[in-house]
Amino acid sequence: ETGVTQTPRHLVMGMTNKKSLKCEQHLGHNAMYWYKQSAKKPLELMFVYNFKEQTENNSVPSRFSPECPNSSHLFLHLHTLQPEDSALYLCASSQEGGRNEKLFFGSGTQLSVL
Amino acid sequence: GENVEQHPSTLSVQEGDSAVIKCTYSDSASNYFPWYKQELGKRPQLIIDIRSNVGEKKDQRIAVTLNKTAKHFSLHITETQPEDSAVYFCAAPPKGSFQKLVFGTGTRLLVSP
Repeated sequence: ETGVTQTPRHLVMGMTNKKSLKCEQHLGHNAMYWYKQSAKKPLELMFVYNFKEQTENNSVPSRFSPECPNSSHLFLHLHTLQPEDSALYLCASSQEGGRNEKLFFGSGTQLSVL
Repeated sequence: GENVEQHPSTLSVQEGDSAVIKCTYSDSASNYFPWYKQELGKRPQLIIDIRSNVGEKKDQRIAVTLNKTAKHFSLHITETQPEDSAVYFCAAPPKGSFQKLVFGTGTRLLVSP
């Protein structure tokens, strides 16, 4: 299934590095999301974009900066991260961004911050 | 805001047995309850969902039941198979939020042959 693709699959970065995560969806959806998945914690919503506009920022630190140039692409720019930011970062999309919609997830980027 | 609690955190069963995972939610206005399955190293995928106007929904070997009065919903897997081994997440949308789903902490199901 290649509806939502994320790159890279794995990323190791130092605390002073700047890197970006990329997500692309081929489903014609209008809403895209970034989730953080840490061990033994619930999936945490980070950002939501509807028709390229950010509609939700779930109190995410400014060292995470999202970008949505169009409805098919979503980026997460990372800078000066902390070791506790190590996690699996999942991108998802849905048709219109409504509460009762199925989420289609990408395979995630496993991030390790040293 | 919404609080979703999921139990158990791990569940081990023998192949052919049934498995039940339960979630409780706090917001009585929640009206949509999906279940996602995440196999090891793979993406979460929706396996079944239920809306608050029905009490039960079935799809082959999986079913979800909803008790609105008690504010809990459960995932039932019958005749479990090794390929059912995965982490299962429940979720519910909180009141007043257009798009935010609140997920449970997950249940790791292990089905032994």
